[in-house]
Amino acid sequence: EVQLVESGGVVVQPGGSLRLSCAASGFPFDDYTMHWVRHLPGKGLEWVSLITWDGATTYYADSVKGRFTISRDNSNNSLYLQMNSLRTEDTAFYYCAKDFDTGTNYYLDVWGRGTTVTVSS
Amino acid sequence: DIVMTQSPDSLAVSLGERATINCKSSQSVTDSSNNRNYLAWYQQKPGQPPKLLIYWASTRQSGVPDRFSGSGSLTDFTLTINGLQAEDVAVYYCQQYYSAPPTTFGGGTKVEIK
Repeated sequence: EVQLVESGGVVVQPGGSLRLSCAASGFPFDDYTMHWVRHLPGKGLEWVSLITWDGATTYYADSVKGRFTISRDNSNNSLYLQMNSLRTEDTAFYYCAKDFDTGTNYYLDVWGRGTTVTVSS
Repeated sequence: DIVMTQSPDSLAVSLGERATINCKSSQSVTDSSNNRNYLAWYQQKPGQPPKLLIYWASTRQSGVPDRFSGSGSLTDFTLTINGLQAEDVAVYYCQQYYSAPPTTFGGGTKVEIK
């Protein structure tokens, strides 16, 4: 079964740091670009970041650029999101998601169940 | 960034009737060189992650019932659910990937049963 399982979401103070993890199974993880997408409370979906299959290329939303770092460990089928200098507006439900096909297509066919990040004092 | 605007914000449809959701982009998401529309639709049920329904504006993802259909081009797109079922109650999002990164999503349309 193709599966993504996120972990690491907690309550953190503004200015704090957090690392989210996503464990992948059931598909050749190292063939695919992976993404982080967040669901802001009371709002819609916001794409956060992507990393290509080999980790060579990363992109970020302007809202997180310079504060968040995406990475992956293909030997452990894992995706990560290091979140620094957290702000209250980063409070959201964070999903990891798999790109549809090899290459970077941006439409996402497998999603994890998500993990909640709350930034609050 | 391309802004995606969905309408209506919510709609209530009787079982078996048609639901129509609109999505408008702030600029064209159609590539004239290949005539492809860089638009996808997702369904998100309560407590679940989004599910890919349609990509390239009209290509149904494997396993998606054929009562779901997508259409449109340039800046105006539509998701139609023909014969609404109880299990279709969800929030539906459009997404453009023409000008990415970043890819951007619409604000969502909530579909309920009348």
